[in-house]
Amino acid sequence: QVQLQESGPGLVRPSETLSLNCTVSGAPVTSHYWSWIRQPPGKGLQWIGYIYYSGSTTLYNPSLKSRVDISIDTSKNHFSLKLRSVTAADTAFYYCARGPSFGLDSWGQGALVTVSS
Amino acid sequence: DIVMTQSPLSLPVTPGEPASVSCRSSQSLLHTNGYKYLDWYLQKPGQSPQLLIYFSSTRASGVPDRFSGSGSGIDFTLKISRVEAEDVGVYFCMQSLQAPYTFGQGTRLEIK
Repeated sequence: QVQLQESGPGLVRPSETLSLNCTVSGAPVTSHYWSWIRQPPGKGLQWIGYIYYSGSTTLYNPSLKSRVDISIDTSKNHFSLKLRSVTAADTAFYYCARGPSFGLDSWGQGALVTVSS
Repeated sequence: DIVMTQSPLSLPVTPGEPASVSCRSSQSLLHTNGYKYLDWYLQKPGQSPQLLIYFSSTRASGVPDRFSGSGSGIDFTLKISRVEAEDVGVYFCMQSLQAPYTFGQGTRLEIK
C-alpha cells in the first residue's frame, strides 16, 4: 500500500520560497504521476501541478506556473514542491498525491504552511 | 479553465436513506479515448481527501459499493444508496481532462 508524507517548514516569510517534500513509501517515484494540491483553511481545493519521472514531464497550473517547480529525487524516493515569492494568499494545507492517471488515489495527510512575517 | 459546479452545497441526510450529489462541467469531459475524466473525492472531517470514483463511474479500490457514479459528458452524479454515519464530510468532484485540473466547490453531507 502506497503512503505519502509531506514535510517542510510550517512558516514562510512573505516574498520567500515555500519548499515541501513528499516522501513516498510502497511505490517507486519512477513510476506513476505525482501531484501537489493545496487547500486554504476552510476553503476548496486547487491543483498545483504534477510530475512524471519519465522524461521529467511536468504540468503546472497556469495561475502558478511562473512561481512553481516540482522535482523528483529518486535516491530519496520523494518529490518536491517549490513555490517562489509567496504572499499571505499562499497560506494553505499542501497535499501531495499519486495521480491523476486513475484519479488521485493516495494522498498525504497534508502540511499547513502559513505565510507571515 | 473548466469550471465545475456542484449542487447542493449542503446535504442533510437521514441514515439509511439515499443521497445524491450533482456536478456540472463548463465543457465536455469526454476524451477521444472514450473515458470521462471526472473523479469524486470525500474529505472527512480533519482528514485529507480520499478517492471514491474515477473515470466518472469506476469505484476506487476499497470503496463500498453503496457509492456509484454516473454521467454524460457534462452532467455527473454521485449516488450513495444508503447513507451511513461514516459518510459525513465534504464531497468534491474534479476534472482531469484539461489543465488546470479543477475542483467543484464541495458538497457538505451531514447526518440529520
